[in-house]
Amino acid sequence: GQQVMQIPQYQHVQEGEDFTTYCNSSTTLSNIQWYKQRPGGHPVFLIQLVKSGEVKKQKRLTFQFGEAKKNSSLHITATQTTDVGTYFCAWNTGKLIFGQGTTLQVKP
Amino acid sequence: GAGVSQSPSNKVTEKGKDVELRCDPISGHTALYWYRQSLGQGLEFLIYFQGNSAPDKSGLPSDRFSAERTGGSVSTLTIQRTQQEDSAVYLCASNRDRGNYEQYFGPGTRLTVT
Repeated sequence: GQQVMQIPQYQHVQEGEDFTTYCNSSTTLSNIQWYKQRPGGHPVFLIQLVKSGEVKKQKRLTFQFGEAKKNSSLHITATQTTDVGTYFCAWNTGKLIFGQGTTLQVKP
Repeated sequence: GAGVSQSPSNKVTEKGKDVELRCDPISGHTALYWYRQSLGQGLEFLIYFQGNSAPDKSGLPSDRFSAERTGGSVSTLTIQRTQQEDSAVYLCASNRDRGNYEQYFGPGTRLTVT
């Protein structure tokens, strides 16, 4: 069964609004990775988190790993049209176990 | 440097025919992975190669699917007697070794079975 759950499936926001996608698992995760897939493109690695409670930032993107290492989130502040795409979390066990992805659409 | 390349980019085939999908990983990457992306199933792992051997084939959906890797480089995914449910985008990824955390994906092959 699906080991990494991700919500929401879709999110439509107005440009400038914030966006958050959430991943959770019933299993303690050794790590969590985030990938972005632009429309018509392939997944591109964004970041990996490994420590309990870890928070990392990349410009307007903030990534968090839960204290129990069972959940993670990606928050985008003040979305731009360039943020459009599908964001996936993934657990790297040697192979990637992906969440279902959240597709972000941004209205200019 | 060159990224992961895949060919063909698109393949349309009739049900029952065999297809071969090719992946050329980044030079020097010993680990190679195949994934499948379809609307209903999201991104699914198929098989992993370390060098020329495949220690993890757990994601192959049936015995119609097979893969090989030669010379520690190019890999071919073969689907025999294709079925409509095989229609998907097949993605290849590579990294320097299995412990290396970032996987680099190719552009994928879109397979349509009619």
